[in-house]
Amino acid sequence: GAGVSQSPSNKVTEKGKDVELRCDPISGHTALYWYRQSLGQGLEFLIYFQGNSAPDKSGLPSDRFSAERTGGSVSTLTIQRTQQEDSAVYLCASRPFQGGTEAFFGQGTRLTVV
Amino acid sequence: AQSVTQLDSHVSVSEGTPVLLRCNYSSSYSPSLFWYVQHPNKGLQLLLKYTSAATLVKGINGFEAEFKKSETSFHLTKPSAHMSDAAEYFCVVSTGSARQLTFGSGTQLTVLP
Repeated sequence: GAGVSQSPSNKVTEKGKDVELRCDPISGHTALYWYRQSLGQGLEFLIYFQGNSAPDKSGLPSDRFSAERTGGSVSTLTIQRTQQEDSAVYLCASRPFQGGTEAFFGQGTRLTVV
Repeated sequence: AQSVTQLDSHVSVSEGTPVLLRCNYSSSYSPSLFWYVQHPNKGLQLLLKYTSAATLVKGINGFEAEFKKSETSFHLTKPSAHMSDAAEYFCVVSTGSARQLTFGSGTQLTVLP
């Protein structure tokens, strides 16, 4: 596709369930980012993948959160044992290798934990 | 290390008057700087970027920003606000080989009729 694709666009889950959020970056982009945006808040960094380097996981809020990126392309963010405070919009972005270029964002996945 | 400070969480202007959204950054290396806009229930859209070329950068919808190294600032301006400019604006810095993206906390722009 032409842009960053995220699925699902909306997800409602029960407290305690696990969820998987998917991000398809723009083809050829080596960098991939996950952010979380809670209602009325700014963007909270979660995790960053750059090529074959070890990911920067410094933003993951707890060990319930994990992410992987298979084959340098598609990424999955997994939240285990979801809590109500996990409710937010989860944004994915990708970026080419060339320095100075901007990141391209997907439309996000709105997660609601009930 | 890098960081971004957006000095105003909310800015309110009247339609047709100038807009100024302030951003200061901290970076150990020559930064790349970006402004993104987010309209309600929409994704993030790039307004403009600075990548060590001209210090005055023009973007979409009449916005521009000036990179001032001595002041470590990258303020966003527009000569005349339009109702459609009402949105949240994020200043972003990226530096070094790690190319991490650091977002400011955002400025909510309200445009009054």
